[in-house]
Formats: sequence, structure tokens, C-alpha cells
Amino acid sequence: NAGVTQTPKFQVLKTGQSMTLQCAQDMNHEYMSWYRQDPGMGLRLIHYSVGAGITDQGEVPNGYNVSRSTTEDFPLRLLSAAPSQTSVYFCASTPMLGVNQPQHFGDGTRLSIL
Amino acid sequence: SQQGEEDPQALSIQEGENATMNCSYKTSINNLQWYRQNSGRGLVHLILIRSNEREKHSGRLRVTLDTSKKSSSLLITASRAADTASYFCATDERTSGSARQLTFGSGTQLTVLP
Repeated sequence: NAGVTQTPKFQVLKTGQSMTLQCAQDMNHEYMSWYRQDPGMGLRLIHYSVGAGITDQGEVPNGYNVSRSTTEDFPLRLLSAAPSQTSVYFCASTPMLGVNQPQHFGDGTRLSIL
Repeated sequence: SQQGEEDPQALSIQEGENATMNCSYKTSINNLQWYRQNSGRGLVHLILIRSNEREKHSGRLRVTLDTSKKSSSLLITASRAADTASYFCATDERTSGSARQLTFGSGTQLTVLP
């Protein structure tokens, strides 16, 4: 019963570095999404995917790329890290949004950009 | 932009008291969901109420939804110290496209004092 697994849990980067945040789910969910959580601002949607091979932008997509080659995995790539991307990143999945199903969240990746 | 906005931002009560948190939103929704987040952890789904429902219960939780006022409330009865957490409402918005987004509010920090 792994649910949604995010790796790494913590990461420190220097400005300009790139990295990939991993997200995997074992519930065969079609819908996956990435959020960032900043103090006092709740969660903001970065990118989402409604199925393998399909991705779309959320509210704050700039500086991030995603791909969905399999149903299970939905990695988030930071192309050139900036201090403004210091945040906690959450991955979530649900069978399909809009059919009255809750989202399942990972425990997050805490990212600091120096 | 934030769809759901919680009120109050912070709430401190004594163990055994009831805690009420409110959420307001702006557009038509398919459903509204409440989540809990313990410090340093991911979000955990508490309860989902559909747009055609007015009240829902789950254990010590009671959620109401007033679509005419575009508002919802979460009541936690007989609170315990273990209920200390941040609580978020999230709205599953109706859109014209095939994909939908779940939009989160900024949360209410609940502290239950023993």
C-alpha cells in the first residue's frame, strides 16, 4: 500500500542547477498533478496530467517541465533553479478528477535553492 | 488565484471544544473537499461533499455546503490535541473543457490545547 511516493524528501540546489523530482503511484490513477506550497499561500497547481502522454499547465508552470510516459510516473523537472522556486512540492493522484474522487498526496519534497 | 479561501487563518481552542472553519469560493463547482495537513507531511483527504449535497458527516466531522452563498464549513466536534493541523478546502471546478483542476485555499491552522 505505497500510494504516492515522492523522492527525494529534501534537496538543496544552487541557482542555475537542474533536477528532477520523482513521483510514482501504484493505484493505477489516471490523473496526476504537481503542486507547490508556499507559506500563507496554500497549494498552487504547477502541471497536471489526465493520462499517459497527456500533460497540461496549471496556475504556475513557468520554470518547470513534466512528462507522463507511463500511468505510474509523473516527474517534475526544474530546468534552471531559481531562489523563487524554494518551496515544498507535492505530487497527487486521483482516478479521474471531476468524478467525485479525493486526491492522494505524497509526503512532499522540500527544496531549497541557494 | 485562490478559489477557496478559509476563515479564520488560525484558530486556537481547548481540548473538548468544537472547531469551525469556513471556506468561500467563487465559481460553480462539482464538489468541495476538505483536507488535513500535519506539520511536515502531505495532505490527507477528510471528506468530499458534492454540489447537490447540503450536509455530510464522517465521525466527528460535519461539513455543510451552501452553493447559493458559495460557502462551506467544517465542524470538528469534541476536539483533541491530535486534531492540531492545517485544514484546507479545495474546489473541483466546473469548466468547459475535458480536464478539471482542484483549487486549494490558503488553509486554517488549528491548534487544540490539552
